[in-house]
Amino acid sequence: KQEVTQIPAALSVPEGENLVLNCSFTDSAIYNLQWFRQDPGKGLTSLLLIQSSQREQTSGRLNASLDKSSGRSTLYIAASQPGDSATYLCAVRPRGFQKLVFGTGTRLLVSP
Amino acid sequence: DAGVIQSPRHEVTEMGQEVTLRCKPISGHNSLFWYRQTMMRGLELLIYFNNNVPIDDSGMPEDRFSAKMPNASFSTLKIQPSEPRDSAVYFCASSLSRTNTEAFFGQGTRLTVV
Repeated sequence: KQEVTQIPAALSVPEGENLVLNCSFTDSAIYNLQWFRQDPGKGLTSLLLIQSSQREQTSGRLNASLDKSSGRSTLYIAASQPGDSATYLCAVRPRGFQKLVFGTGTRLLVSP
Repeated sequence: DAGVIQSPRHEVTEMGQEVTLRCKPISGHNSLFWYRQTMMRGLELLIYFNNNVPIDDSGMPEDRFSAKMPNASFSTLKIQPSEPRDSAVYFCASSLSRTNTEAFFGQGTRLTVV
């Protein structure tokens, strides 16, 4: 059974810092991994999708990497801003399934 | 496209009442997912459909829960009778049925059963 873990559960940083969020999964047989952002009381916004054959994806100040063999992904946020404050969720799509299996998220607070 | 649209955004109901949540997927998407989010268990898949056909409903917690997709542009999740422990945020998501595509989520329905 695929399990997804995110560390840390919460992170507080001052504005301008570069930071890394971690995601690990137990079964490397995946189609892809997706990072989401969730603001309080809101839905999930897709940030980046990495296919199993890819090593990384970039969008603006965000860079996500994938090491499938070790079951790890990182989300790098450069020059953090208060508007980045949210909960970040990673999810994997296991091979043989279309569903996503989610981690429990990292709650990020960026202080001005 | 307006994205995945869910209604209502908030629902407060009394225990024992029937609750119906609605979802309109992104046009052209042929996979639809219902997830539930709670503080204790995070995001869990309840059921998903491919081309309007239920594929995996193993996440549906009890017979009180049922889901339908009568056409490609509409799905419902029904709870009858509702119980306080059903209180959660229910999300609908859609994607193309190819496994390499992104899933897009609606804004969710916050259900409170009192």
